[in-house]
Amino acid sequence: AQSVTQLDSQVPVFEEAPVELRCNYSSSVSVYLFWYVQYPNQGLQLLLKYLSGSTLVESINGFEAEFNKSQTSFHLRKPSVHISDTAEYFCAVSDRFSGGYQKVTFGTGTKLQVIP
Amino acid sequence: GAVVSQHPSRVICKSGTSVKIECRSLDFQATTMFWYRQFPKQSLMLMATSNEGSKATYEQGVEKDKFLINHASLTLSTLTVTSAHPEDSSFYICSARQPGTEAFFGQGTRLTVV
Repeated sequence: AQSVTQLDSQVPVFEEAPVELRCNYSSSVSVYLFWYVQYPNQGLQLLLKYLSGSTLVESINGFEAEFNKSQTSFHLRKPSVHISDTAEYFCAVSDRFSGGYQKVTFGTGTKLQVIP
Repeated sequence: GAVVSQHPSRVICKSGTSVKIECRSLDFQATTMFWYRQFPKQSLMLMATSNEGSKATYEQGVEKDKFLINHASLTLSTLTVTSAHPEDSSFYICSARQPGTEAFFGQGTRLTVV
């Protein structure tokens, strides 16, 4: 069984300040890791993912996350946030199976509120 | 990336009626589709997994007779909430994938049962 823990339900941060959204997971097997973003009244969008290779992955809008196997973490960071980053962010995990991605387990989400 | 379209985006129905939600993969063939439910201030909870042409696999605690899932083609899955009650009001999201790819999510459907 897998689980994902996002300890911070809400994170307020001033515009242009850095932010870190924390995510820890547990799994008995190797995993794929994801961050999804949900803007108000919209569905989920994949922000970035770790499948293999470099443990540091980046998104096109400046977010990055680092897979730390020893700490079972996949924290999301951005050095300077913008008002448009205000959204809810979900960390997710999926077991690695030979047939491809399996079902995804989500964390409870972190609401990022960027303050002007 | 691949596009998954979900319809309707919002629906209001009377208690006791049934509501059908469609999930379509627009530019790829989805061998597997997932249905999730999201209650306010909570994360997404997987309801069921469906593979094209076979019966859906429901998660523990999800009533399969209440939440009917049909995955009749490689581009369409439907979720029908039968005899809806106010406690079924929620945000329902589907996702679709091909083997070896990540799942792509629809926009979600806000269901309100009055």
